Amino acid sequence: DARVTQTPRHKVTEMGQEVTMRCQPILGHNTVFWYRQTMMQGLELLAYFRNRAPLDDSGMPKDRFSAEMPDATLATLKIQPSEPRDSAVYFCASGSPSPFTAESQYFGPGTRLTVL
Amino acid sequence: AQSVTQPDIHITVSEGASLELRCNYSYGATPYLFWYVQSPGQGLQLLLKYFSGDTLVQGIKGFEAEFKRSQSSFNLRKPSVHWSDAAEYFCAVGAYNTDKLIFGTGTRLQVFP
Repeated sequence: DARVTQTPRHKVTEMGQEVTMRCQPILGHNTVFWYRQTMMQGLELLAYFRNRAPLDDSGMPKDRFSAEMPDATLATLKIQPSEPRDSAVYFCASGSPSPFTAESQYFGPGTRLTVL
Repeated sequence: AQSVTQPDIHITVSEGASLELRCNYSYGATPYLFWYVQSPGQGLQLLLKYFSGDTLVQGIKGFEAEFKRSQSSFNLRKPSVHWSDAAEYFCAVGAYNTDKLIFGTGTRLQVFP
């Protein structure tokens, strides 16, 4: 049963520290999404990639967030420096663009980030 | 711009009762509509989706949804709720040849025995 995996599942850190979250998309999926979920804002799209190239990162605070896909099996989301307002659950989802990715996004279990 | 509204933040039903979760969308073209479920501590799982054709769509876990263009709605239904259905439910809208989904704010379902 193919699944999206995310590590770590939980992260507690202090303000100002760097945080790196990792995602392994389903093998064969070439589109990867990063979402952030909070009580106040709900589910927000931060960025997404196709074939490892960033297509849209308009939802991501540029000054402290960065997203990359070093290779087809790994996507990373980094926050530097972290702030308490970054506390949220971060989800990765992967999809296949056939016929279009909105049809089939598969979500990982999420990384729960707490910034003290 | 696309948007999705889920008017009910929290719904409580008794086990065995019927369920309807509301979803209204705003989109200029033909929408592609989805319902996802999120159990506590888990990611989102696709319940069902509507692209075209029959406006009544069947999904997993006994759920169905009906697309009503005249009402811009895509309400989720289940005839008899089980305690394991307690979760958060998200409606989402997308468009053909696009990658992005717009999610509603979710409806939390509580089921009493």
